[in-house]
Amino acid sequence: ELKVEQNPLFLSMQEGKNYTIYCNYSTTSDRLYWYRQDPGKSLESLFVLLSNGAVKQEGRLMASLDTKARLSTLHITAAVHDLSATYFCAVDESGGSNYKLTFGKGTLLTVNP
Amino acid sequence: ETGVTQTPRHLVMGMTNKKSLKCEQHLGHNAMYWYKQSAKKPLELMFVYNFKEQTENNSVPSRFSPECPNSSHLFLHLHTLQPEDSALYLCASSQDRSRAFSYGYTFGSGTRLTVV
Repeated sequence: ELKVEQNPLFLSMQEGKNYTIYCNYSTTSDRLYWYRQDPGKSLESLFVLLSNGAVKQEGRLMASLDTKARLSTLHITAAVHDLSATYFCAVDESGGSNYKLTFGKGTLLTVNP
Repeated sequence: ETGVTQTPRHLVMGMTNKKSLKCEQHLGHNAMYWYKQSAKKPLELMFVYNFKEQTENNSVPSRFSPECPNSSHLFLHLHTLQPEDSALYLCASSQDRSRAFSYGYTFGSGTRLTVV
């Protein structure tokens, strides 16, 4: 059974600081996704990482994938309040008959002024 | 709006009621999913439909009954629920397996269900 673990689960940081969220998974996969969820809202796709060494950047967020270590990171640079949300990573279970994603528990990020 | 619409947004029902959740997408996707999001738990996959056919039931109790009349619509019929079924129910869609991996899922906004 595929397990996806995120840490930390709760992150409180000051504006202007940098931090990294980690996503570890337990089985072979080279397809990893990051989503953002605001309170009461849908999950919004942030990044799609499809190969070992993939790096994607959008604004103050940068995601990377190391398939050998089964690890993805979401790095936050110079955080601003608007980044406060819950961030989920999700892994595609390669080789199954269905396309389906297994999600981590999410990291609740709070950026304080 | 994401292109995946869920109704209602909020639902309160008694344990003896029967209700239905609706999900609609016009993105041309061929796969649709129901997920349950509870407090302090990961998103739990409930059902997967590909081209209107159910391809996965993740050991979901029979009080939850999905229906997919066509590739654009997905329902979740609810009856005799328990208070622990209270959660946010999320619908998602994707392209078929051969193409889905490039984009992932598109989620609806969810239905917040409270069972009293």
